[in-house]
Amino acid sequence: AQSVAQPEDQVNVAEGNPLTVKCTYSVSGNPYLFWYVQYPNRGLQFLLKYITGDNLVKGSYGFEAEFNKSQTSFHLKKPSALVSDSALYFCAVRDSASGTYKYIFGTGTRLKVLA
Amino acid sequence: GAGVSQSPSNKVTEKGKDVELRCDPISGHTALYWYRQSLGQGLEFLIYFQGNSAPDKSGLPSDRFSAERTGGSVSTLTIQRTQQEDSAVYLCASSLGQSFDEQFFGPGTRLTVL
Repeated sequence: AQSVAQPEDQVNVAEGNPLTVKCTYSVSGNPYLFWYVQYPNRGLQFLLKYITGDNLVKGSYGFEAEFNKSQTSFHLKKPSALVSDSALYFCAVRDSASGTYKYIFGTGTRLKVLA
Repeated sequence: GAGVSQSPSNKVTEKGKDVELRCDPISGHTALYWYRQSLGQGLEFLIYFQGNSAPDKSGLPSDRFSAERTGGSVSTLTIQRTQQEDSAVYLCASSLGQSFDEQFFGPGTRLTVL
């Protein structure tokens, strides 16, 4: 069975500092991994995804994520946080061996960037 | 271009009533998903439709929940005999249909069951 975990309910970081939002997963086959962001009073938006290839993927708004197969992780990172990055972040996974298009989302991590 | 739209944006109903939630996906998207987001919780998968294949209903929490997709486009999620625990934001998403395509989400329908 596929699963995903976001161990932190909330992450606080000072503006200008690097940020990391953690995500770990469990699948039988190869994972398809995604990050989505939900800004206040706005819908969920796609940030980036890992399908195959380079372990470091770059996405919207300066975010990037590193796929680590040995640690089964896909942490979201940004070198310098902005107050406007404050939002709810979701990691999602699909197991390529599952035979289904079903995605499992994590419980979300609230990022708070302090000015 | 137009994104995913959902209606109504808000729905308040009394316990025991039936409700219908509508989703208009992006034109040309063959995959359509329904999720439920309860306050303080993550996204709970409900059902997805992919092209002409049988839908995956494995996430529907009870037989009070059903969904259909007509003509490969518009989808309706129906909740019969609503309960207070059904109160949540119901999100619809669509994608191009490849197994690794990202999903585009609608703004959601906030359902409140009194």
